Amino acid sequence: GIQVEQSPPDLILQEGANSTLRCNFSDSVNNLQWFHQNPWGQLINLFYIPSGTKQNGRLSATTVATERYSLLYISSSQTTDSGVYFCAVQETGANNLFFGTGTRLTVIP
Amino acid sequence: GAGVSQSPSNKVTEKGKDVELRCDPISGHTALYWYRQRLGQGLEFLIYFQGNSAPDKSGLPSDRFSAERTGESVSTLTIQRTQQEDSAVYLCASSFYRLPYEQYFGPGTRLTVT
Repeated sequence: GIQVEQSPPDLILQEGANSTLRCNFSDSVNNLQWFHQNPWGQLINLFYIPSGTKQNGRLSATTVATERYSLLYISSSQTTDSGVYFCAVQETGANNLFFGTGTRLTVIP
Repeated sequence: GAGVSQSPSNKVTEKGKDVELRCDPISGHTALYWYRQRLGQGLEFLIYFQGNSAPDKSGLPSDRFSAERTGESVSTLTIQRTQQEDSAVYLCASSFYRLPYEQYFGPGTRLTVT
């Protein structure tokens, strides 16, 4: 099956700092999503981005499908950005999302 | 509009009992998914429903797990003879069956088997 690797596994930032989270995947996909899981466990959709670049406020994401990776950029981080960020992909022909192990982000004031 | 809803939000049960978890997808979403998240881990796929097609049960961990969906609405996940290793958060998601295939998740049911 498809492999999804996220890095770094843990990240501690000072409030206001910028960061880049990476997701590598092993096969072609027709869906790639980034989620933020908040401390209450809710999965919040950040981006649906099987290819290309998108921006939403302080967050942006880029997926280079031909090179099988995606990047999530967080700028001017805030304490409310803390939580776990998951990359999830849907392999072409599959029905489900396959999740990486996540990046745990802690933003300190 | 309303998001994906799940009930109950928390369930504590004794080992060996059966439990039933409910998911109400976003209106108009024909695809519905169940996932499981063990403590500190990512999500594992369990089962997928699309319209009236046969469900994809490839992720169900054992025959103690089953799920049903009536048409394109509510789904129930049933775990029979619960074991302690079934303790996890069970998450439901729904999506359109066309581009974009973006999945939206409910708040989950936290199951604790004592």
